[in-house]
Amino acid sequence: GAGVSQSPSNKVTEKGKDVELRCDPISGHTALYWYRQSLGQGLEFLIYFQGNSAPDKSGLPSDRFSAERTGGSVSTLTIQRTQQEDSAVYLCASSLSWSTRGEAFFGQGTRLTVV
Amino acid sequence: AQSVAQPEDQVNVAEGNPLTVKCTYSVSGNPYLFWYVQYPNRGLQFLLKYITGDNLVKGSYGFEAEFNKSQTSFHLKKPSALVSDSALYFCAVRDDSSYKLIFGSGTRLLVRP
Repeated sequence: GAGVSQSPSNKVTEKGKDVELRCDPISGHTALYWYRQSLGQGLEFLIYFQGNSAPDKSGLPSDRFSAERTGGSVSTLTIQRTQQEDSAVYLCASSLSWSTRGEAFFGQGTRLTVV
Repeated sequence: AQSVAQPEDQVNVAEGNPLTVKCTYSVSGNPYLFWYVQYPNRGLQFLLKYITGDNLVKGSYGFEAEFNKSQTSFHLKKPSALVSDSALYFCAVRDDSSYKLIFGSGTRLLVRP
């Protein structure tokens, strides 16, 4: 596709349920990022992938959060037993594969609301 | 460890006046620096980046940024602000040895007519 695609665009879930957020990066981008943005606030780094591996998982807020990437392409961010404080916009981005010089391109985000 | 600081939560400027949005950074290696803009209910859009070479970098919509290694800063500037520039601006840094990209807390720019 032309850009980074995230689905769903909006998700409302009940407290305690599990949710899966999906990210389709730009074709050929091996670097993929997940960020969390609370209402009008900054971007909180969650995790990034180089290919299918995640060298740095230090940003994941708790063990309820996990992410995987398969085939060097699609990534899913899973939040188990959701809590109200998980409500935020989850942003995915991807970056050119050949160099760390490339800028990251962002998707439109998934707005998660936990009720 | 990488870090980025945007010391101003909000910058107010009159239309037609120059604007500056501040950013300082910390990395262990050579920095790659980026500016992004976010309009309401929109994703982040890339504005410009510094990788190497000239310290003054020009980007989209008339924006530019100046890299200052001694002050570890990468301030965003525009000679003449437009009301349509009003948005949330983010500075980001990556160490040249890693893909990890860290963002600042953001600065809200308000340009009044």
